[in-house]
Amino acid sequence: EIVMTQSPASLSVSPGERATLSCRASQSVSNSLGWYQQKPGQAPRLLIYGASTRATGIPARFSGSGSGTEFTLTISSLQSEDFAVYYCQQYNNWPLTFGGGTKVEIK
Amino acid sequence: EVQLLESGGALVQPGGSLRLSCAASGFTFSSYAMIWVRQAPGKGLEWVSTISGSGGSTYYADSVKGRFTISRDNSKNTLYLQMNSLRAEDTAVYYCAKDSYTPRFPDAFDIWGQGTMVTVSS
Repeated sequence: EIVMTQSPASLSVSPGERATLSCRASQSVSNSLGWYQQKPGQAPRLLIYGASTRATGIPARFSGSGSGTEFTLTISSLQSEDFAVYYCQQYNNWPLTFGGGTKVEIK
Repeated sequence: EVQLLESGGALVQPGGSLRLSCAASGFTFSSYAMIWVRQAPGKGLEWVSTISGSGGSTYYADSVKGRFTISRDNSKNTLYLQMNSLRAEDTAVYYCAKDSYTPRFPDAFDIWGQGTMVTVSS
């Protein structure tokens, strides 16, 4: 099983600032990596697929990078609606696995 | 509008059974693999199972293998999860989701339902 490790577990950021979230895979997943946003009481929403492609309707302030085992989600200028938990997920190998999440909080 | 709507969640005793349903609309259901993902209270996301568009291929997490069965009825645009021998650790919100790409899978999950709560407790 591929273990996905996200860091940090939580991140305090002021509105308008940049946030950088990391995701590491225990073995290569090529670019088969997605990022999801989840707000309290809501279902997850796909932000990024293929490690770097924004999903439909996702603002340009969200960007993804990386390949192999190291990935990054960057939110260039945090808006109030961006405070949420973010998960990475690999879909290169069965079983599909998620990271433990990074909670982005208001500073 | 593409939409997924889960139903069937309930309170069930340990060892009991439950069947979840997910009604899909707004896309060609039979063309896409479908997925169940769960989230225990206060915890992260856990992939549970995937079924191919035709229903001919299925995949399970080790934690549910042999107890849960994923299936689909493409004539009814509906996905199912039959859960048997339920345990306390199966307590979670269960989401159905749509694979984002066809015909190749797996891929990212681009559409999610709102979830249905399953509680396993005596």
